Amino acid sequence: DGGITQSPKYLFRKEGQNVTLSCEQNLNHDAMYWYRQDPGQGLRLIYYSQIVNDFQKGDIAEGYSVSREKKESFPLTVTSAQKNPTAFYLCASTPVHRLGTDTQYFGPGTRLTVL
Amino acid sequence: RKEVEQDPGPFNVPEGATVAFNCTYSNSASQSFFWYRQDCRKEPKLLMSVYSSGNEDGRFTAQLNRASQYISLLIRDSKLSDSATYLCVVNMGGSARQLTFGSGTQLTVLP
Repeated sequence: DGGITQSPKYLFRKEGQNVTLSCEQNLNHDAMYWYRQDPGQGLRLIYYSQIVNDFQKGDIAEGYSVSREKKESFPLTVTSAQKNPTAFYLCASTPVHRLGTDTQYFGPGTRLTVL
Repeated sequence: RKEVEQDPGPFNVPEGATVAFNCTYSNSASQSFFWYRQDCRKEPKLLMSVYSSGNEDGRFTAQLNRASQYISLLIRDSKLSDSATYLCVVNMGGSARQLTFGSGTQLTVLP
């Protein structure tokens, strides 16, 4: 079945550790995104990528890093520099280069908790 | 002022009721609009796109008022399964940096 997968579903991290969240899609979509959602708030854009080997910062990129070595994969690393990383992280993709005017399809999310 | 603003609710309505949500946006140049549904601890899923003067899909109707810069979502004959958070999403101008999410309106349909 086609879709977006994220792993792990739940992740616990000690303060000071870097962690990497996986996002894979087999929809042949060009653009991929990472969002963060905090309780009672809307989604905020962390990073996005329109094509392989290219990505741009979103509104809250500080403390995060990404790579886009393959079209199917867009992993997000939450570094120790991110001051408040506990949140629900959502990966999404769209099929064409014209970002924002096409439906975004979301993965099931990763819930990160810093202990 | 938030760029996309929604009444957070919660809205508690009986089964069969009609309920309406409003969403206002600050950028008059916004180009397209969406309603997403998000169940508790799940990912958002597209409910409806709103591109022109409005959109209807079964029990759901979305309206756009560009002059007043708001969109609305009307749910008729509400079902228990409609209980969720409804997110208003606005494309401010055609790139991912300009896709802005409201914080959502929580709906609970009561038996």
